[in-house]
Amino acid sequence: DTEVTQTPKHLVMGMTNKKSLKCEQHMGHRAMYWYKQKAKKPPELMFVYSYEKLSINESVPSRFSPECPNSSLLNLHLHALQPEDSALYLCASSQVTGMNTEAFFGQGTRLTVV
Amino acid sequence: GNSVTQMEGPVTLSEEAFLTINCTYTATGYPSLFWYVQYPGEGLQLLLKATKADDKGSNKGFEATYRKETTSFHLEKGSVQVSDSAVYFCALNLNQGGKLIFGQGTELSVKP
Repeated sequence: DTEVTQTPKHLVMGMTNKKSLKCEQHMGHRAMYWYKQKAKKPPELMFVYSYEKLSINESVPSRFSPECPNSSLLNLHLHALQPEDSALYLCASSQVTGMNTEAFFGQGTRLTVV
Repeated sequence: GNSVTQMEGPVTLSEEAFLTINCTYTATGYPSLFWYVQYPGEGLQLLLKATKADDKGSNKGFEATYRKETTSFHLEKGSVQVSDSAVYFCALNLNQGGKLIFGQGTELSVKP
């Protein structure tokens, strides 16, 4: 199983809503990532978890709150988002955070904030 | 700073044409290099990688060679198919906590 599964695939939320994005992998990877991708742009790193601990936060606004309940799961909690937060949110995992390891990406959650 | 520069797209080719997508990088150390592909409406898939100078990565007919002297990692394929239409991202990893630094992406459109 070399899949990273993200749910939901699409999400529409209002600016006062609270929602969560979920990501799951069963490859035994100990590093998990959240990326944000705007249309026709490359992915931008948001957060990195290494061995279930947050290791990188790329100065992401607090309305985005990551959580790693165990080594297979990664959540991104969303609250009071703005329309400019509409984007494709990609989860990825890798064996560890070393430079030679490959990152496997999920299909993404396409988020629209109205 | 560390960065990746790709040739601008879109690149439009006829089926069976030869493909080159240029990628050059600037890095303070010796990175690992990757090509990812993103098909419409999907996430990214790793296409190939190279971890040291003169390494050649290859997969599905695509190839790229890590050239340290020219800081380049150009993607090539001898004969493209319509199904290769996608956006291609060159990326580097400098062992900064797993962070991938991506180029801007190059959109490829292959016509029958």
